[in-house]
Amino acid sequence: DTGVSQDPRHKITKRGQNVTFRCDPISEHNRLYWYRQTLGQGPEFLTYFQNEAQLEKSRLLSDRFSAERPKGSFSTLEIQRTEQGDSAMYLCASSSIVGPNTEAFFGQGTRLTVV
Amino acid sequence: GQNIDQPTEMTATEGAIVQINCTYQTSGFNGLFWYQQHAGEAPTFLSYNVLDGLEEKGRFSSFLSRSKGYSYLLLKELQMKDSASYLCAVKSGGSYIPTFGRGTSLIVHP
Repeated sequence: DTGVSQDPRHKITKRGQNVTFRCDPISEHNRLYWYRQTLGQGPEFLTYFQNEAQLEKSRLLSDRFSAERPKGSFSTLEIQRTEQGDSAMYLCASSSIVGPNTEAFFGQGTRLTVV
Repeated sequence: GQNIDQPTEMTATEGAIVQINCTYQTSGFNGLFWYQQHAGEAPTFLSYNVLDGLEEKGRFSSFLSRSKGYSYLLLKELQMKDSASYLCAVKSGGSYIPTFGRGTSLIVHP
């Protein structure tokens, strides 16, 4: 396994369009997280899955954002009616339930630019 | 909620030692992580502390004081490649979700 994979790496879209990002976590990891990061800031939590269940969602998350993890493996994050303020790096991370540290491993991210 | 505070930027000289501090205010503390992030890349895990004390891993060490809500990351024998952002993240309240500070941008110069 080569780690957390995200696709695409870059996306440029026009305001008002819908976009969908994909994340493939490390295969034995049950937990999957989506974060958003803007320049000069730390990652900001968006949502969290344990297996296929979406257990937490940030209160800051607009209803234009939706995420799924249908079979408890890969996950998708969709943004509808994109706005310029959605421009950011979208990071996916995964971690295992087993083990003392349970640190999260991050993918390379999808950089979204809304024009 | 959680409040995590780190200096925005630090500079240091190649070969020197630098300490990056992180203070936090949270209920139900459940662990603190340090990550390194180079520009345009994903954060990579450096260390994890859940008990008080110092954890050493090569040139990097991390310290935690739960009673003071304080941690630091110590980088020794600095190299140019250590120029990066260093992110402090805290888990609390029974949540599995790390909450990140804004990060400290470290610039190492010759």
